Amino acid sequence: GDSVTQMEGPVTLSEEAFLTINCTYTATGYPSLFWYVQYPGEGLQLLLKATKADDKGSNKGFEATYRKETTSFHLEKGSVQVSDSAVYFCALGGSGGSNYKLTFGKGTLLTVNP
Amino acid sequence: DTGVSQDPRHKITKRGQNVTFRCDPISEHNRLYWYRQTLGQGPEFLTYFQNEAQLEKSRLLSDRFSAERPKGSFSTLEIQRTEQGDSAMYLCASSLVAGGTEQFFGPGTRLTVL
Repeated sequence: GDSVTQMEGPVTLSEEAFLTINCTYTATGYPSLFWYVQYPGEGLQLLLKATKADDKGSNKGFEATYRKETTSFHLEKGSVQVSDSAVYFCALGGSGGSNYKLTFGKGTLLTVNP
Repeated sequence: DTGVSQDPRHKITKRGQNVTFRCDPISEHNRLYWYRQTLGQGPEFLTYFQNEAQLEKSRLLSDRFSAERPKGSFSTLEIQRTEQGDSAMYLCASSLVAGGTEQFFGPGTRLTVL
């Protein structure tokens, strides 16, 4: 079945540092890929998405490129801020007969210090 | 605010009691999903509705769990004879169409079973 493996945390960075959170997936067909973010005390929010190979999703300075050849969707940001501190989840939207559900990774806690 | 809402936000109950949670999706969304998230894990799919029809249930959804979506609007998730292992965050999401389209999440209901 579908699965998502993402970099284990926690990740602690200083403000303005470069961020990479790795995400790889296993799926049949052509899934959509997502990054969701969960700020403390809040619900999951979609950060960015990509629906086909080589697509790049971007939002709020974050980027991720759908790499079919390496089955990866790594999240990057060039300069993190304290306000980026949150839990980040990589997710896969099922394709074909299972296109109704999301399969999530375990999440990566990011803490950015001033 | 026209986002997904859930009620209650927190529920503490004793083992063996029944609990019911409510989810109000974004009004024009025809799909509604329930997920469960335990500490340190990503959300796991439980079930989903298209309009009023429940189309898929995960094996995680034991026979003590039941979900309804009368008239294709709000949904309820009931857990009968709660067990300590049911303690988790229960998330509701909705979407407009399937396949690559983002799901919008509510803030969740945190259940604690004593």
